[in-house]
Amino acid sequence: AQTVTQSQPEMSVQEAETVTLSCTYDTSESDYYLFWYKQPPSRQMILVIRQEAYKQQNATENRFSVNFQKAAKSFSLKISDSQLGDAAMYFCAYSRTDKLIFGTGTRLQVFP
Amino acid sequence: DVKVTQSSRYLVKRTGEKVFLECVQDMDHENMFWYRQDPGLGLRLIYFSYDVKMKEKGDIPEGYSVSREKKERFSLILESASTNQTSMYLCASSSYREISEAFFGQGTRLTVV
Repeated sequence: AQTVTQSQPEMSVQEAETVTLSCTYDTSESDYYLFWYKQPPSRQMILVIRQEAYKQQNATENRFSVNFQKAAKSFSLKISDSQLGDAAMYFCAYSRTDKLIFGTGTRLQVFP
Repeated sequence: DVKVTQSSRYLVKRTGEKVFLECVQDMDHENMFWYRQDPGLGLRLIYFSYDVKMKEKGDIPEGYSVSREKKERFSLILESASTNQTSMYLCASSSYREISEAFFGQGTRLTVV
């Protein structure tokens, strides 16, 4: 069975600095999707970024980028120029054909 | 603007009550999901549905059932609520053709007393 592991329950960063959230996963499949979701205090889950496993190039969305290491089954999220609005729970997730499998989440605090 | 709507943001029920959590999506999505979110445990899948009247068990189906009579609506049912079902419940939907674009409702925080 596929699993997703986030080993950092909490992280903090100073405004304008860079922070990296870690995620590892386990699967025997070669083709799948990986995601980072953000859940602010409003509780609305928002897709931050996604990566198709067959693509070698790391995905980037504005200040958000990933470091996808397929062989190591690692999928970290880098947030550059952190803003107060980035404070939230961040979930890493895996999907192959249907349901999303989530990690336990990392709570990110951003200090002014 | 795509939308997944959960009927309640907060709900308080008594032990032993039958509880219905409703979820409606307006995107004509085939897939719908119910997750339970607990601190330190992330989101765990309870049930999902690929089509009307079809359902599949997720990782923690015990104590829950679901109903999908119409494509846009997916209901989670707690047959006899217990205190260990106090949690945040999240509904999501996605297209069969674009699994990666899962959209979530705002969650229902259920307290069973």
